[in-house]
Amino acid sequence: DAKTTQPPSMDCAEGRAANLPCNHSTISGNEYVYWYRQIHSQGPQYIIHGLKNNETNEMASLIITEDRKSSTLILPHATLRDTAVYYCIVRAFYGGSQGNLIFGKGTKLSVKP
Amino acid sequence: EPEVTQTPSHQVTQMGQEVILRCVPISNHLYFYWYRQILGQKVEFLVSFYNNEISEKSEIFDDQFSVERPDGSNFTLKIRSTKLEDSAMYFCASNLGFGGNQPQHFGDGTRLSIL
Repeated sequence: DAKTTQPPSMDCAEGRAANLPCNHSTISGNEYVYWYRQIHSQGPQYIIHGLKNNETNEMASLIITEDRKSSTLILPHATLRDTAVYYCIVRAFYGGSQGNLIFGKGTKLSVKP
Repeated sequence: EPEVTQTPSHQVTQMGQEVILRCVPISNHLYFYWYRQILGQKVEFLVSFYNNEISEKSEIFDDQFSVERPDGSNFTLKIRSTKLEDSAMYFCASNLGFGGNQPQHFGDGTRLSIL
């Protein structure tokens, strides 16, 4: 089962920042937090990942709390094309795991004009 | 930007027939994966593959499934005798190396419809 908890849905106004929360209270010290999104039935699209520091790239910012038990994905200026299901995933690389991703149900983000 | 490509985009097959789904991972990537997503459900891990052998597989990946890297570029998923419940989107993914700092990149999938 997924080790993360996300709200099932959120709305955001076009042009505003979208802040998507994720709880991962049982995360281990060597597990990364990954964010993907899926638009309609397309393949999951990688957005960003981090271990303990905040990260930013051209798509989004990732804020991880100091205790690493939760994180927030920020889309700074949401557009209609950002409407998608967003997945927060804790990725393990131990115990024989090769880092396969365990998807939950994610958050369905609807960006409205 | 390099991407994972999958063919065909849609495959329709009669129940009991064999089907092969094809993927071309990103060229310098070393780790390969298959996932599936039944309509309206979560994306589920099937199998990971490295150094020409299966690294890890889920309970879904039973004896009806097999994977192969027949040459230096293709990565295939074969379902030997398809069932109605195999109808799903199948996604291929790859990543450069082992470790938490290597994101997986996905193709756009093959929609498999079993009649």
